[in-house]
Amino acid sequence: ILNVEQSPQSLHVQEGDSTNFTCSFPSSNFYALHWYRWETAKSPEALFVMTLNGDEKKKGRISATLNTKEGYSYLYIKGSQPEDSATYLCALRVFGNEKLTFGTGTRLTIIP
Amino acid sequence: NAGVTQTPKFRILKIGQSMTLQCAQDMNHNYMYWYRQDPGMGLKLIYYSVGAGITDKGEVPNGYNVSRSTTEDFPLRLELAAPSQTSVYFCASSYRDSGELFFGEGSRLTVL
Repeated sequence: ILNVEQSPQSLHVQEGDSTNFTCSFPSSNFYALHWYRWETAKSPEALFVMTLNGDEKKKGRISATLNTKEGYSYLYIKGSQPEDSATYLCALRVFGNEKLTFGTGTRLTIIP
Repeated sequence: NAGVTQTPKFRILKIGQSMTLQCAQDMNHNYMYWYRQDPGMGLKLIYYSVGAGITDKGEVPNGYNVSRSTTEDFPLRLELAAPSQTSVYFCASSYRDSGELFFGEGSRLTVL
């Protein structure tokens, strides 16, 4: 069983502040790392799929980086807005395995 | 544009009853997955399929069965429901093995 860890478990951030959180995973046999945003009472929606070491991806105020050699990915949110409140999940796929293993998520609350 | 459709959205079962959660996608995706969401535990993979006629177990398959007779449909069957199967179930699909997952809206199941 793959161990995908996310930290912190929860986070409260003042509106307008920037924030970041971490996804850690085993570095061996890396294939792809996914980030999803999961708003309450909705289903998860994909933010990024990252496959190459050193990848940086950006969507509006949200960006992510990937280090496959040391086994971590950071998600950054710049200038947090109330609509950013959600649980952010990362998920790992390794070579030779079609399964996607999810971390337990970081629950982000933006304080107006 | 329907995407991934799950039915029913809510269901209450008595211990020992059986039921099938339906999942259909209209995006011609080869890969389909069933996850369950338990509080504080993130998403756990129950079963997955890489194409019609092919299914495989995930992390928590006990008490469940699946079939994949067509590309579009991936039903999840619960035999002899138990209180431990009380959860929110998500079906998801992806076009290829490193592609982003598209999730259904979830099915909330309570076993009493």
